[in-house]
Amino acid sequence: AQTVTQSQPEMSVQEAETVTLSCTYDTSESDYYLFWYKQPPSRQMILVIRQEAYKQQNATENRFSVNFQKAAKSFSLKISDSQLGDAAMYFCAYRSAGTGNQFYFGTGTSLTVIP
Amino acid sequence: GAGVSQTPSNKVTEKGKYVELRCDPISGHTALYWYRQSLGQGPEFLIYFQGTGAADDSGLPNDRFFAVRPEGSVSTLKIQRTERGDSAVYLCASSLRVAGGPTDTQYFGPGTRLTVL
Repeated sequence: AQTVTQSQPEMSVQEAETVTLSCTYDTSESDYYLFWYKQPPSRQMILVIRQEAYKQQNATENRFSVNFQKAAKSFSLKISDSQLGDAAMYFCAYRSAGTGNQFYFGTGTSLTVIP
Repeated sequence: GAGVSQTPSNKVTEKGKYVELRCDPISGHTALYWYRQSLGQGPEFLIYFQGTGAADDSGLPNDRFFAVRPEGSVSTLKIQRTERGDSAVYLCASSLRVAGGPTDTQYFGPGTRLTVL
Protein backbone atom coordinates (compact mmCIF):
# COMPACT_ATOMS: atom_id res chain seq x y z
CA ALA A 1 0.00 0.00 0.00
CA GLN A 2 1.04 3.56 -0.55
CA THR A 3 2.37 5.49 2.42
CA VAL A 4 2.39 9.22 3.01
CA THR A 5 4.79 10.79 5.51
CA GLN A 6 4.56 14.20 7.08
CA SER A 7 7.63 14.64 9.24
CA GLN A 8 6.62 17.94 10.86
CA PRO A 9 3.97 17.35 13.54
CA GLU A 10 3.87 21.09 14.30
CA MET A 11 4.90 24.27 12.52
CA SER A 12 4.50 27.95 13.29
CA VAL A 13 4.72 31.07 11.17
CA GLN A 14 4.43 34.77 11.74
CA GLU A 15 1.46 36.44 10.16
CA ALA A 16 2.29 37.67 6.62
CA GLU A 17 5.33 35.41 6.41
CA THR A 18 5.84 32.28 4.31
CA VAL A 19 5.88 28.71 5.55
CA THR A 20 6.53 25.39 3.85
CA LEU A 21 5.00 22.09 4.95
CA SER A 22 6.73 18.88 3.90
CA CYS A 23 5.28 15.67 2.54
CA THR A 24 6.87 12.58 1.06
CA TYR A 25 5.15 9.50 -0.28
CA ASP A 26 6.02 6.03 -1.40
CA THR A 27 4.48 4.43 -4.47
CA SER A 28 5.35 2.22 -7.40
CA GLU A 29 2.67 3.78 -9.58
CA SER A 30 3.43 6.32 -12.27
CA ASP A 31 0.05 8.01 -12.45
CA TYR A 32 -1.59 9.40 -9.35
CA TYR A 33 -2.93 12.54 -7.68
CA LEU A 34 -1.63 14.43 -4.67
CA PHE A 35 -3.62 16.73 -2.45
CA TRP A 36 -3.29 19.04 0.49
CA TYR A 37 -6.30 19.28 2.76
CA LYS A 38 -6.83 21.71 5.62
CA GLN A 39 -8.74 20.63 8.73
CA PRO A 40 -9.71 23.44 11.13
CA PRO A 41 -11.12 22.70 14.61
CA SER A 42 -14.55 22.32 13.01
CA ARG A 43 -13.19 18.98 11.66
CA GLN A 44 -14.32 19.67 8.11
CA MET A 45 -11.60 18.73 5.62
CA ILE A 46 -11.18 21.49 3.05
CA LEU A 47 -9.33 20.94 -0.20
CA VAL A 48 -6.44 23.40 -0.49
CA ILE A 49 -4.68 22.29 -3.65
CA ARG A 50 -4.38 19.33 -6.00
CA GLN A 51 -1.59 18.10 -8.27
CA GLU A 52 -1.74 15.55 -11.07
CA ALA A 53 1.44 13.49 -11.24
CA TYR A 54 1.61 13.67 -15.04
CA LYS A 55 1.80 17.45 -14.93
CA GLN A 56 5.26 18.91 -14.55
CA GLN A 57 3.98 22.36 -13.67
CA ASN A 58 3.48 22.95 -9.98
CA ALA A 59 -0.09 23.73 -8.96
CA THR A 60 -0.91 27.15 -7.55
CA GLU A 61 -4.05 28.44 -5.83
CA ASN A 62 -3.74 32.07 -4.77
CA ARG A 63 -1.40 32.11 -1.74
CA PHE A 64 -0.92 28.34 -1.84
CA SER A 65 1.56 26.60 -4.10
CA VAL A 66 3.27 23.25 -4.20
CA ASN A 67 6.75 22.03 -5.00
CA PHE A 68 6.20 18.65 -6.66
CA GLN A 69 9.33 16.59 -7.14
CA LYS A 70 8.20 13.34 -8.75
CA ALA A 71 11.56 11.60 -8.77
CA ALA A 72 12.11 12.41 -5.12
CA LYS A 73 8.46 11.60 -4.28
CA SER A 74 8.15 14.89 -2.51
CA PHE A 75 5.14 17.21 -2.40
CA SER A 76 5.57 20.27 -0.20
CA LEU A 77 3.03 23.04 0.37
CA LYS A 78 4.06 26.68 0.50
CA ILE A 79 1.76 29.20 2.12
CA SER A 80 2.63 32.80 1.31
CA ASP A 81 1.46 35.87 3.22
CA SER A 82 0.16 33.67 6.04
CA GLN A 83 -3.11 34.72 7.63
CA LEU A 84 -4.63 33.91 11.00
CA GLY A 85 -7.29 31.88 9.23
CA ASP A 86 -4.63 29.55 7.86
CA ALA A 87 -4.14 28.04 11.32
CA ALA A 88 -5.28 24.42 11.13
CA MET A 89 -4.13 20.83 10.66
CA TYR A 90 -2.82 20.21 7.16
CA PHE A 91 -2.95 16.75 5.65
CA CYS A 92 -1.12 15.55 2.59
CA ALA A 93 -2.97 12.84 0.65
CA TYR A 94 -2.28 10.45 -2.20
CA ARG A 95 -4.76 8.84 -4.53
CA SER A 96 -4.12 6.41 -7.34
CA ALA A 97 -5.29 7.36 -10.81
CA GLY A 98 -6.20 3.76 -11.49
CA THR A 99 -8.64 1.47 -9.75
CA GLY A 100 -9.15 2.02 -6.08
CA ASN A 101 -10.24 5.51 -5.32
CA GLN A 102 -9.31 5.74 -1.67
CA PHE A 103 -7.11 8.44 -0.25
CA TYR A 104 -3.97 7.67 1.73
CA PHE A 105 -3.37 10.44 4.25
CA GLY A 106 -0.33 11.50 6.20
CA THR A 107 -0.48 12.09 9.95
CA GLY A 108 -0.83 15.82 9.54
CA THR A 109 1.02 19.02 10.44
CA SER A 110 -0.48 21.44 12.93
CA LEU A 111 0.10 25.00 11.73
CA THR A 112 0.04 27.90 14.17
CA VAL A 113 -0.05 31.46 12.86
CA ILE A 114 1.43 34.00 15.25
CA PRO A 115 -0.08 37.50 15.12
CA GLY B 1 -27.84 20.87 0.84
CA ALA B 2 -24.76 22.71 -0.31
CA GLY B 3 -22.27 20.40 1.36
CA VAL B 4 -21.88 16.96 2.86
CA SER B 5 -23.71 16.66 6.14
CA GLN B 6 -23.30 14.07 8.87
CA THR B 7 -25.44 13.24 11.85
CA PRO B 8 -25.10 13.11 14.73
CA SER B 9 -22.24 15.48 15.30
CA ASN B 10 -21.28 13.64 18.45
CA LYS B 11 -22.29 10.23 19.72
CA VAL B 12 -21.49 8.74 23.10
CA THR B 13 -22.31 5.10 23.66
CA GLU B 14 -21.44 2.26 25.96
CA LYS B 15 -19.25 -0.67 25.11
CA GLY B 16 -21.25 -3.40 23.42
CA LYS B 17 -23.97 -1.13 22.04
CA TYR B 18 -25.00 -0.69 18.40
CA VAL B 19 -24.62 2.67 16.64
CA GLU B 20 -25.58 4.15 13.30
CA LEU B 21 -23.87 7.13 11.72
CA ARG B 22 -25.53 8.93 8.84
CA CYS B 23 -24.08 10.75 5.85
CA ASP B 24 -25.93 12.97 3.38
CA PRO B 25 -23.72 13.56 0.33
CA ILE B 26 -23.82 16.50 -2.02
CA SER B 27 -26.82 16.18 -4.29
CA GLY B 28 -25.93 14.42 -7.53
CA HIS B 29 -22.69 12.93 -6.28
CA THR B 30 -22.52 9.27 -7.22
CA ALA B 31 -19.49 8.29 -5.16
CA LEU B 32 -19.49 8.24 -1.36
CA TYR B 33 -16.64 7.40 1.02
CA TRP B 34 -16.27 6.66 4.71
CA TYR B 35 -13.06 7.32 6.65
CA ARG B 36 -12.08 6.91 10.28
CA GLN B 37 -9.80 9.42 11.97
CA SER B 38 -8.26 8.44 15.27
CA LEU B 39 -6.77 11.03 17.57
CA GLY B 40 -3.56 12.48 16.16
CA GLN B 41 -3.84 10.55 12.91
CA GLY B 42 -4.90 11.20 9.37
CA PRO B 43 -8.14 9.74 8.07
CA GLU B 44 -8.08 6.06 7.16
CA PHE B 45 -10.22 4.65 4.39
CA LEU B 46 -13.07 2.33 5.36
CA ILE B 47 -15.37 1.87 2.36
CA TYR B 48 -16.63 3.57 -0.75
CA PHE B 49 -19.80 3.33 -2.79
CA GLN B 50 -20.44 3.92 -6.44
CA GLY B 51 -24.19 4.37 -6.57
CA THR B 52 -25.85 1.83 -4.31
CA GLY B 53 -23.11 -0.77 -4.33
CA ALA B 54 -20.01 -0.97 -2.18
CA ALA B 55 -17.21 -0.79 -4.73
CA ASP B 56 -14.44 -1.30 -2.18
CA ASP B 57 -14.92 -2.27 1.46
CA SER B 58 -11.36 -3.37 2.07
CA GLY B 59 -10.84 -0.80 4.79
CA LEU B 60 -13.54 -2.06 7.13
CA PRO B 61 -11.63 -3.35 10.17
CA ASN B 62 -13.85 -6.35 10.93
CA ASP B 63 -17.35 -7.74 10.51
CA ARG B 64 -18.76 -5.50 13.24
CA PHE B 65 -18.63 -2.66 10.72
CA PHE B 66 -21.15 -2.43 7.89
CA ALA B 67 -22.35 0.34 5.61
CA VAL B 68 -25.30 0.72 3.28
CA ARG B 69 -26.48 3.17 0.66
CA PRO B 70 -29.83 1.72 -0.44
CA GLU B 71 -30.98 4.49 -2.77
CA GLY B 72 -27.64 5.76 -3.96
CA SER B 73 -27.75 8.90 -1.87
CA VAL B 74 -27.77 8.79 1.95
CA SER B 75 -25.42 6.28 3.55
CA THR B 76 -25.40 4.76 7.01
CA LEU B 77 -22.35 3.32 8.72
CA LYS B 78 -23.35 0.70 11.26
CA ILE B 79 -21.17 -0.55 14.09
CA GLN B 80 -22.24 -3.54 16.15
CA ARG B 81 -20.98 -4.47 19.64
CA THR B 82 -18.95 -1.28 19.90
CA GLU B 83 -15.55 -1.39 21.56
CA ARG B 84 -13.53 1.39 23.17
CA GLY B 85 -11.08 1.18 20.27
CA ASP B 86 -13.85 2.26 17.90
CA SER B 87 -13.74 5.75 19.41
CA ALA B 88 -12.76 8.14 16.61
CA VAL B 89 -14.11 10.74 14.24
CA TYR B 90 -15.92 9.13 11.33
CA LEU B 91 -15.71 11.24 8.18
CA CYS B 92 -17.84 10.97 5.09
CA ALA B 93 -16.94 12.38 1.68
CA SER B 94 -18.61 12.46 -1.71
CA SER B 95 -17.52 13.13 -5.26
CA LEU B 96 -19.34 13.59 -8.52
CA ARG B 97 -17.80 10.44 -9.92
CA VAL B 98 -15.24 7.91 -8.85
CA ALA B 99 -12.12 8.69 -10.79
CA GLY B 100 -10.68 10.93 -13.43
CA GLY B 101 -10.39 14.69 -13.70
CA PRO B 102 -11.57 17.47 -11.45
CA THR B 103 -14.95 15.86 -10.95
CA ASP B 104 -13.45 13.23 -8.70
CA THR B 105 -12.52 15.73 -6.00
CA GLN B 106 -13.80 14.46 -2.67
CA TYR B 107 -15.73 16.88 -0.49
CA PHE B 108 -15.80 16.03 3.20
CA GLY B 109 -18.45 16.40 5.85
CA PRO B 110 -17.73 17.64 9.38
CA GLY B 111 -17.62 14.12 10.77
CA THR B 112 -19.23 12.32 13.68
CA ARG B 113 -17.20 12.03 16.85
CA LEU B 114 -17.92 8.61 18.36
CA THR B 115 -16.97 7.97 21.96
CA VAL B 116 -17.33 4.47 23.35
CA LEU B 117 -17.24 4.36 27.14
